[in-house]
Amino acid sequence: QQQVKQSPQSLIVQKGGISIINCAYENTAFDYFPWYQQFPGKGPALLIAIRPDVSEKKEGRFTISFNKSAKQFSLHIMDSQPGDSATYFCAAIRGSNYKLTFGKGTLLTVNP
Amino acid sequence: NAGVTQTPKFQVLKTGQSMTLQCAQDMNHNSMYWYRQDPGMGLRLIYYSASEGTTDKGEVPNGYNVSRLNKREFSLRLESAAPSQTSVYFCASRQNNMGGEAFFGQGTRLTVV
Repeated sequence: QQQVKQSPQSLIVQKGGISIINCAYENTAFDYFPWYQQFPGKGPALLIAIRPDVSEKKEGRFTISFNKSAKQFSLHIMDSQPGDSATYFCAAIRGSNYKLTFGKGTLLTVNP
Repeated sequence: NAGVTQTPKFQVLKTGQSMTLQCAQDMNHNSMYWYRQDPGMGLRLIYYSASEGTTDKGEVPNGYNVSRLNKREFSLRLESAAPSQTSVYFCASRQNNMGGEAFFGQGTRLTVV
């Protein structure tokens, strides 16, 4: 079963717009939620991450919003740029067994 | 800094052949992971190893075996390759702490014909 559900599968945004990607999870044992960014032909790389005791984390143009009661978290990319065009993965990890589980990914295209 | 190194980068196998994908990390990380990436399916966990000497199944372990040879190396073996195993395979490693970032290799593109 899919433990981390991600939507949308693809997203097209104009330059300067806001990109929003959503994820939901079922397992309350997850205790760390990272987002990864992947460019074509490359491995994923960590973008930003959040713990469930924090409702929001911001790093530059990237913000994670976390809703523990709803078991949902989202990535917001402000002032989206063509260079942000990539595949984004949300993930969740259980600290007790170190299992790192990913969502299905969102292909973001930012048009100039 | 090498980080996570995967070999080979590309491979074509015939159905039924076997092969081993190699992965090595030089960051002294405890955990290592093997994922496969297929269009529309995201990154699916095949096996992982939370420490030297231990391995655990992920979401899609059937048809694969792994060996945590030592703290640095984690190999993935296909005993009898099938066309359904055509995919891009990624190895990753991370430290076993709350904020431990997972570092990925460049991937192995495997085609089974």
